[in-house]
Amino acid sequence: QKEVEQDPGPLSVPEGAIVSLNCTYSNSAFQYFMWYRQYSRKGPELLMYTYSSGNKEDGRFTAQVDKSSKYISLFIRDSQPSDSATYLCAMSPSKGAQKLVFGQGTRLTINP
Amino acid sequence: DTEVTQTPKHLVMGMTNKKSLKCEQHMGHRAMYWYKQKAKKPPELMFVYSYEKLSINESVPSRFSPECPNSSLLNLHLHALQPEDSALYLCASSHVQVGGNTIYFGEGSWLTVV
Repeated sequence: QKEVEQDPGPLSVPEGAIVSLNCTYSNSAFQYFMWYRQYSRKGPELLMYTYSSGNKEDGRFTAQVDKSSKYISLFIRDSQPSDSATYLCAMSPSKGAQKLVFGQGTRLTINP
Repeated sequence: DTEVTQTPKHLVMGMTNKKSLKCEQHMGHRAMYWYKQKAKKPPELMFVYSYEKLSINESVPSRFSPECPNSSLLNLHLHALQPEDSALYLCASSHVQVGGNTIYFGEGSWLTVV
């Protein structure tokens, strides 16, 4: 079993829809949770960063962490075609840890 | 725009060539990383430098040789590569130990080994 599971998709939704992207994990030591967006043939771009449980909102994006269920989510409201990309969840166990554990990435397409 | 700059963006090299990938950041980060990413896969960690010293080597073959000349620069020297080494090579940087590790990636260097 992988430490981090993420449905690779592809996921295709109409413009304006609310998108929900999810990861589950098995290592209860994970405390820091990140979402990266990666456009085709580009490097990953940090979208959201959260520590421990709870919600964090930034514009159209909301990151949610439920440590009791070992489950994290990224919600995209009012989705735009420019949101079409691969979304990678990543997590690390401690303050000094330098190894991120990535999910497989979900390919998302927003159709105009 | 990313504040981690990688050159070249594209590189084609033969299996007997020697080439280098270069990375520069000016965010004051003291941890720098090399990752390798194959198509439709997540990035895989190769090396980590902390305070200009190699702190993590993920059992990478010796045909990849990292170098950190100073706190802003990171190189990856390539020699006698194999076609299966063709991939996107990502440089990244972060603070070493401030509030978890938010790692920022560059745009990557696309390497093709022929």
